[in-house]
Amino acid sequence: DTAVSQTPKYLVTQMGNDKSIKCEQNLGHDTMYWYKQDSKKFLKIMFSYNNKELIINETVPNRFSPKSPDKAHLNLHINSLELGDSAVYFCASANWGLAGETDTQYFGPGTRLTVL
Amino acid sequence: KQEVTQIPAALSVPEGENLVLNCSFTDSAIYNLQWFRQDPGKGLTSLLLIQSSQREQTSGRLNASLDKSSGRSTLYIAASQPGDSATYLCAVSLEGTDKLIFGTGTRLQVFP
Repeated sequence: DTAVSQTPKYLVTQMGNDKSIKCEQNLGHDTMYWYKQDSKKFLKIMFSYNNKELIINETVPNRFSPKSPDKAHLNLHINSLELGDSAVYFCASANWGLAGETDTQYFGPGTRLTVL
Repeated sequence: KQEVTQIPAALSVPEGENLVLNCSFTDSAIYNLQWFRQDPGKGLTSLLLIQSSQREQTSGRLNASLDKSSGRSTLYIAASQPGDSATYLCAVSLEGTDKLIFGTGTRLQVFP
């Protein structure tokens, strides 16, 4: 069984388009994340949601809007795509610790977004 | 601002060697440190997690140590195999948050 799944795996689109990436976890975790891995392979957090509430927003442009319909899903919608948005986007999930800290995060397989 | 650095950036070794990957972080106020493995075109797989109160963790041929006060962690891989070839990432979780700060990664190649 896949623990954290993302769709689509590859996404190729034109500049200016709007696209969404979906993420689902079946681990029963209460916290989900979106990360961006750039062309230099550097991985950086974008958002975290705990029980459908936004916890972290790392100065990501407001063209990026995460949506969490329930604890098991965290989708990422991107408006007006730009060339610089090309990257691999990873979803992850974990359980929220007592002090708001996280234990092991489980990552999805990634979505490779290419903006032409 | 927490910065995480990994040395070396790339490593190529013959099968069977024992090797050490290094990770350093600038702010010792961490909750835990995790080591991940990333295969080309794939997601991250968690290898080991060390809580800030721990000194080391072991899983099979892997051993990770943590020296929080000096801001260092090492991942020791014993008897390396070609299947160990991947990029290894360390990440620290800051105290009071669930934010993971990732290192720059070490790309390991183990050849037969």
